[in-house]
Amino acid sequence: KAGVTQTPRYLIKTRGQQVTLSCSPISGHRSVSWYQQTPGQGLQFLFEYFSETQRNKGNFPGRFSGRQFSNSRSEMNVSTLELGDSALYLCASSLGRTTKETQYFGPGTRLLVL
Amino acid sequence: AQSVTQLDSQVPVFEEAPVELRCNYSSSVSVYLFWYVQYPNQGLQLLLKYLSGSTLVKGINGFEAEFNKSQTSFHLRKPSVHISDTAEYFCAVTKAAGNKLTFGGGTRVLVKP
Repeated sequence: KAGVTQTPRYLIKTRGQQVTLSCSPISGHRSVSWYQQTPGQGLQFLFEYFSETQRNKGNFPGRFSGRQFSNSRSEMNVSTLELGDSALYLCASSLGRTTKETQYFGPGTRLLVL
Repeated sequence: AQSVTQLDSQVPVFEEAPVELRCNYSSSVSVYLFWYVQYPNQGLQLLLKYLSGSTLVKGINGFEAEFNKSQTSFHLRKPSVHISDTAEYFCAVTKAAGNKLTFGGGTRVLVKP
């Protein structure tokens, strides 16, 4: 079974631009969660989508948004990029039925904002 | 809200020596506990998880962890490490309701020959 894939793997943007990251979950998984990883703040939960609906949300500003498609693929968007948005963005997928399930992580998209 | 504290940010250890990574959590509700490993330039891989039942949990690559409810701890151990265990290890919790992982700050393990 193919794992979680994320595209692109690396991205360089400038302040004020916007960016869209993509995540394809493991086949059959309906839940996709997004996390931001930075040296200063560590791993922080952004949001979770299940069956095209946002089910959970972390404490990030409205510039961070996401969506999920009917095939469970998910995108997250960051508008008006700031230097502090430079991070590794990880997505994770699971079946989504209970929180006991393992979340499987993709390799991440490394975003650098200049 | 739950929180996770990993007491050691870095742990140097010699090859074939044992290692213990400490994790404490706080939560007012029941939680599930996880340990993940992150190798350089990769995502996170699950080592093991505690849901209920036996407090000693065995995972992949020879790792095990013990859940201690009274001390709110979930320490990870391996009796004999290899060079390939050099990585960053994250302890995480999630509530029984709500599919959101809260991570500790991570522990970097450096295995020396």
